[in-house]
Amino acid sequence: KNEVEQSPQNLTAQEGEFITINCSYSVGISALHWLQQHPGGGIVSLFMLSSGKKKHGRLIATINIQEKHSSLHITASHPRDSAVYICAVSPYSGGGADGLTFGKGTHLIIQP
Amino acid sequence: GAGVSQSPSNKVTEKGKDVELRCDPISGHTALYWYRQSLGQGLEFLIYFQGNSAPDKSGLPSDRFSAERTGGSVSTLTIQRTQQEDSAVYLCASSSLRAPNTEAFFGQGTRLTVV
Repeated sequence: KNEVEQSPQNLTAQEGEFITINCSYSVGISALHWLQQHPGGGIVSLFMLSSGKKKHGRLIATINIQEKHSSLHITASHPRDSAVYICAVSPYSGGGADGLTFGKGTHLIIQP
Repeated sequence: GAGVSQSPSNKVTEKGKDVELRCDPISGHTALYWYRQSLGQGLEFLIYFQGNSAPDKSGLPSDRFSAERTGGSVSTLTIQRTQQEDSAVYLCASSSLRAPNTEAFFGQGTRLTVV
């Protein structure tokens, strides 16, 4: 079973700061997902990546397959970015979203 | 619809009562997943549907939990004789294929509180 570790667990930063959230996993994967969960509980898929780097607005996600590590960056952070960010990995064999292993999430608070 | 829709968004029920949670996946998505997120815990897989069949029920925590999907679309998760430990956010997701690199789209979740 893949062990997915996220760091930090909690992060409080000032508006405008550059934010980095890390995710490491123990077993090789086919894809990694970054999810955003707002206080109401709803989840939005931010990125799915298998290699390299993806960018969407102020969000950037990178993955290093050899090191089994991914980072989610937020540039020019804003209070509306406050949420729980969850990393999830898909295994090589079988698996769709049922095969996802989730990290416990990083609780981000951006203060104005 | 435009996204995955779940209802109700919040449900408070008395211990021992049955509850039904509903998920409307994105139109055309054949794969549907149910997850649970208990307070302070990470997401936990419950059950997966491919079309109307559920090849993997391994995540259901007890025989009080059941789920069905009809017409390859709407799914209901039923919890019988609810217990306080069933209190959690129940999330549904759908994807076009059950494949490792296919993005899953999540609903807003149903927050269940058993009192």
